[in-house]
Amino acid sequence: GDSVTQMEGPVTLSEEAFLTINCTYTATGYPSLFWYVQYPGEGLQLLLKATKADDKGSNKGFEATYRKETTSFHLEKGSVQVSDSAVYFCALRELGGSSNTGKLIFGQGTTLQVKP
Amino acid sequence: KAGVTQTPRYLIKTRGQQVTLSCSPISGHRSVSWYQQTPGQGLQFLFEYFSETQRNKGNFPGRFSGRQFSNSRSEMNVSTLELGDSALYLCASSLAYDYGYTFGSGTRLTVV
Repeated sequence: GDSVTQMEGPVTLSEEAFLTINCTYTATGYPSLFWYVQYPGEGLQLLLKATKADDKGSNKGFEATYRKETTSFHLEKGSVQVSDSAVYFCALRELGGSSNTGKLIFGQGTTLQVKP
Repeated sequence: KAGVTQTPRYLIKTRGQQVTLSCSPISGHRSVSWYQQTPGQGLQFLFEYFSETQRNKGNFPGRFSGRQFSNSRSEMNVSTLELGDSALYLCASSLAYDYGYTFGSGTRLTVV
Protein backbone atom coordinates (compact mmCIF):
# COMPACT_ATOMS: atom_id res chain seq x y z
CA GLY A 1 0.00 0.00 0.00
CA ASP A 2 0.88 3.66 -0.11
CA SER A 3 3.33 4.94 2.48
CA VAL A 4 5.29 8.01 3.53
CA THR A 5 8.73 7.98 5.12
CA GLN A 6 10.21 10.96 6.93
CA MET A 7 13.62 11.50 8.39
CA GLU A 8 13.75 10.71 12.03
CA GLY A 9 14.03 13.48 14.55
CA PRO A 10 14.46 15.32 16.60
CA VAL A 11 16.14 17.94 14.48
CA THR A 12 17.82 20.63 16.55
CA LEU A 13 18.92 23.86 14.88
CA SER A 14 20.07 27.30 15.90
CA GLU A 15 17.96 30.28 14.94
CA GLU A 16 18.53 31.44 11.33
CA ALA A 17 19.91 28.05 10.27
CA PHE A 18 18.78 26.31 7.08
CA LEU A 19 16.20 23.58 7.48
CA THR A 20 15.64 20.44 5.43
CA ILE A 21 13.26 17.68 6.46
CA ASN A 22 13.34 14.75 4.07
CA CYS A 23 10.18 13.02 2.91
CA THR A 24 9.83 10.21 0.40
CA TYR A 25 6.72 8.34 -0.60
CA THR A 26 5.56 5.11 -2.19
CA ALA A 27 2.33 5.27 -4.12
CA THR A 28 0.55 4.09 -7.21
CA GLY A 29 0.17 6.98 -9.60
CA TYR A 30 0.78 10.60 -8.65
CA PRO A 31 -0.87 11.48 -5.37
CA SER A 32 -1.23 14.99 -3.98
CA LEU A 33 1.39 15.76 -1.33
CA PHE A 34 1.12 17.86 1.83
CA TRP A 35 3.12 19.16 4.74
CA TYR A 36 1.30 19.69 8.03
CA VAL A 37 2.64 21.22 11.23
CA GLN A 38 1.52 20.45 14.78
CA TYR A 39 2.27 22.76 17.69
CA PRO A 40 2.10 21.39 21.24
CA GLY A 41 -1.44 20.71 22.39
CA GLU A 42 -2.95 21.56 19.04
CA GLY A 43 -4.25 19.84 15.93
CA LEU A 44 -2.55 19.81 12.55
CA GLN A 45 -2.24 22.91 10.38
CA LEU A 46 -1.79 22.67 6.64
CA LEU A 47 1.55 24.23 5.80
CA LEU A 48 1.73 23.68 2.05
CA LYS A 49 0.71 21.30 -0.70
CA ALA A 50 1.50 20.24 -4.25
CA THR A 51 -0.87 18.38 -6.51
CA LYS A 52 1.29 17.40 -9.48
CA ALA A 53 4.87 16.69 -10.45
CA ASP A 54 7.27 19.67 -10.34
CA ASP A 55 4.76 21.78 -8.42
CA LYS A 56 6.33 23.84 -5.66
CA GLY A 57 4.26 24.52 -2.57
CA SER A 58 5.24 27.44 -0.38
CA ASN A 59 4.00 29.20 2.73
CA LYS A 60 5.52 31.27 5.56
CA GLY A 61 9.03 30.83 4.14
CA PHE A 62 8.70 27.05 3.84
CA GLU A 63 8.96 25.36 0.45
CA ALA A 64 8.69 21.85 -0.96
CA THR A 65 8.88 20.59 -4.54
CA TYR A 66 7.06 17.52 -5.82
CA ARG A 67 9.76 15.33 -7.40
CA LYS A 68 8.27 12.32 -9.13
CA GLU A 69 11.68 11.02 -10.31
CA THR A 70 12.86 10.61 -6.73
CA THR A 71 9.36 10.27 -5.20
CA SER A 72 10.27 12.98 -2.73
CA PHE A 73 8.75 16.11 -1.21
CA HIS A 74 11.44 17.56 1.05
CA LEU A 75 10.57 20.53 3.24
CA GLU A 76 12.99 23.46 3.32
CA LYS A 77 13.26 26.84 4.97
CA GLY A 78 16.12 29.25 4.56
CA SER A 79 16.17 30.71 8.05
CA VAL A 80 14.31 29.09 10.94
CA GLN A 81 12.96 30.88 13.97
CA VAL A 82 12.29 29.68 17.50
CA SER A 83 8.58 29.90 16.70
CA ASP A 84 9.04 27.19 14.03
CA SER A 85 9.63 24.62 16.77
CA ALA A 86 6.93 21.98 16.23
CA VAL A 87 6.30 18.55 14.76
CA TYR A 88 6.15 18.40 10.96
CA PHE A 89 4.21 15.74 9.07
CA CYS A 90 4.52 14.82 5.43
CA ALA A 91 1.39 13.26 3.93
CA LEU A 92 -0.06 12.03 0.67
CA ARG A 93 -3.65 11.83 -0.45
CA GLU A 94 -4.38 8.27 -1.38
CA LEU A 95 -5.75 7.78 -4.86
CA GLY A 96 -8.92 5.70 -4.86
CA GLY A 97 -10.40 3.84 -7.79
CA SER A 98 -12.13 6.99 -8.93
CA SER A 99 -9.66 9.37 -7.22
CA ASN A 100 -12.63 10.36 -5.10
CA THR A 101 -11.11 10.06 -1.66
CA GLY A 102 -9.63 12.41 0.89
CA LYS A 103 -7.79 9.76 2.89
CA LEU A 104 -4.40 11.04 3.98
CA ILE A 105 -1.46 8.80 4.73
CA PHE A 106 1.02 10.43 7.09
CA GLY A 107 4.68 9.98 7.82
CA GLN A 108 5.75 9.46 11.41
CA GLY A 109 6.48 13.14 11.96
CA THR A 110 9.72 15.00 12.57
CA THR A 111 10.22 17.11 15.66
CA LEU A 112 12.02 20.37 15.05
CA GLN A 113 13.55 22.28 17.93
CA VAL A 114 15.04 25.70 17.20
CA LYS A 115 17.30 27.22 19.84
CA PRO A 116 17.90 30.98 20.18
CA LYS B 1 -14.47 32.26 10.24
CA ALA B 2 -14.75 29.52 12.84
CA GLY B 3 -12.46 26.52 12.50
CA VAL B 4 -13.16 22.88 13.06
CA THR B 5 -14.61 22.39 16.54
CA GLN B 6 -14.20 19.16 18.44
CA THR B 7 -15.89 18.38 21.71
CA PRO B 8 -15.03 17.49 24.33
CA ARG B 9 -11.32 18.41 24.45
CA TYR B 10 -10.51 15.86 27.12
CA LEU B 11 -12.23 12.69 28.20
CA ILE B 12 -11.45 9.97 30.71
CA LYS B 13 -13.32 6.68 30.41
CA THR B 14 -13.12 3.25 31.97
CA ARG B 15 -12.40 0.06 30.07
CA GLY B 16 -15.57 -1.45 28.68
CA GLN B 17 -17.45 1.83 28.44
CA GLN B 18 -18.39 3.53 25.21
CA VAL B 19 -17.70 7.08 24.09
CA THR B 20 -19.02 9.52 21.49
CA LEU B 21 -16.89 12.32 20.10
CA SER B 22 -18.28 15.25 18.17
CA CYS B 23 -16.94 17.33 15.31
CA SER B 24 -18.38 20.49 13.77
CA PRO B 25 -16.70 21.26 10.43
CA ILE B 26 -16.02 24.66 8.96
CA SER B 27 -19.21 26.13 7.55
CA GLY B 28 -19.69 24.96 3.96
CA HIS B 29 -17.33 22.01 4.27
CA ARG B 30 -19.07 18.76 3.39
CA SER B 31 -16.17 16.36 3.74
CA VAL B 32 -15.16 15.19 7.22
CA SER B 33 -12.43 12.75 8.15
CA TRP B 34 -11.32 11.26 11.45
CA TYR B 35 -7.81 10.22 12.53
CA GLN B 36 -6.34 8.56 15.57
CA GLN B 37 -2.96 9.82 16.79
CA THR B 38 -0.82 7.79 19.16
CA PRO B 39 2.92 7.95 19.97
CA GLY B 40 3.43 4.40 18.74
CA GLN B 41 1.33 4.27 15.58
CA GLY B 42 1.34 7.92 14.60
CA LEU B 43 -1.60 9.28 12.62
CA GLN B 44 -3.98 6.64 11.34
CA PHE B 45 -7.06 7.17 9.20
CA LEU B 46 -10.38 6.11 10.71
CA PHE B 47 -13.17 7.22 8.35
CA GLU B 48 -14.18 9.75 5.76
CA TYR B 49 -17.67 11.12 5.19
CA PHE B 50 -19.11 13.21 2.44
CA SER B 51 -22.73 14.35 2.38
CA GLU B 52 -23.72 11.85 5.09
CA THR B 53 -22.15 8.90 3.25
CA GLN B 54 -19.10 7.04 4.46
CA ARG B 55 -16.73 7.19 1.54
CA ASN B 56 -13.75 5.42 3.03
CA LYS B 57 -12.87 3.45 6.15
CA GLY B 58 -9.54 2.66 7.75
CA ASN B 59 -8.33 -0.58 9.20
CA PHE B 60 -9.94 -0.38 12.63
CA PRO B 61 -12.17 -2.91 14.40
CA GLY B 62 -15.94 -2.65 14.21
CA ARG B 63 -15.98 -1.06 17.68
CA PHE B 64 -15.13 2.18 15.91
CA SER B 65 -18.03 3.72 14.06
CA GLY B 66 -19.05 7.10 12.81
CA ARG B 67 -21.73 9.08 11.09
CA GLN B 68 -22.36 12.43 9.50
CA PHE B 69 -25.51 14.49 9.79
CA SER B 70 -27.28 16.60 7.20
CA ASN B 71 -25.59 19.76 8.56
CA SER B 72 -22.18 18.04 8.00
CA ARG B 73 -21.51 17.66 11.71
CA SER B 74 -19.99 14.30 12.48
CA GLU B 75 -19.71 11.96 15.41
CA MET B 76 -17.57 8.96 16.06
CA ASN B 77 -18.33 6.28 18.58
CA VAL B 78 -16.06 3.74 20.21
CA SER B 79 -17.72 0.89 22.05
CA THR B 80 -16.22 -1.48 24.61
CA LEU B 81 -13.22 0.75 25.20
CA GLU B 82 -9.77 -0.79 25.58
CA LEU B 83 -6.65 0.72 27.11
CA GLY B 84 -5.12 0.87 23.64
CA ASP B 85 -7.84 3.25 22.49
CA SER B 86 -6.22 6.01 24.50
CA ALA B 87 -5.23 8.56 21.88
CA LEU B 88 -5.76 11.98 20.42
CA TYR B 89 -8.69 11.80 18.00
CA LEU B 90 -8.56 14.41 15.27
CA CYS B 91 -11.33 15.53 12.98
CA ALA B 92 -10.67 17.35 9.72
CA SER B 93 -12.93 19.02 7.21
CA SER B 94 -12.55 20.15 3.63
CA LEU B 95 -14.52 21.71 0.79
CA ALA B 96 -13.44 18.85 -1.43
CA TYR B 97 -10.94 16.06 -1.11
CA ASP B 98 -8.10 17.81 -2.89
CA TYR B 99 -8.24 21.17 -1.15
CA GLY B 100 -6.30 20.08 1.88
CA TYR B 101 -7.98 19.39 5.16
CA THR B 102 -8.35 21.73 8.13
CA PHE B 103 -7.93 19.92 11.41
CA GLY B 104 -9.54 20.55 14.76
CA SER B 105 -7.58 20.59 18.02
CA GLY B 106 -8.66 17.06 18.81
CA THR B 107 -10.21 15.14 21.65
CA ARG B 108 -7.74 13.56 24.05
CA LEU B 109 -9.27 10.25 25.19
CA THR B 110 -7.75 8.41 28.12
CA VAL B 111 -9.00 4.94 28.94
CA VAL B 112 -8.25 3.71 32.46
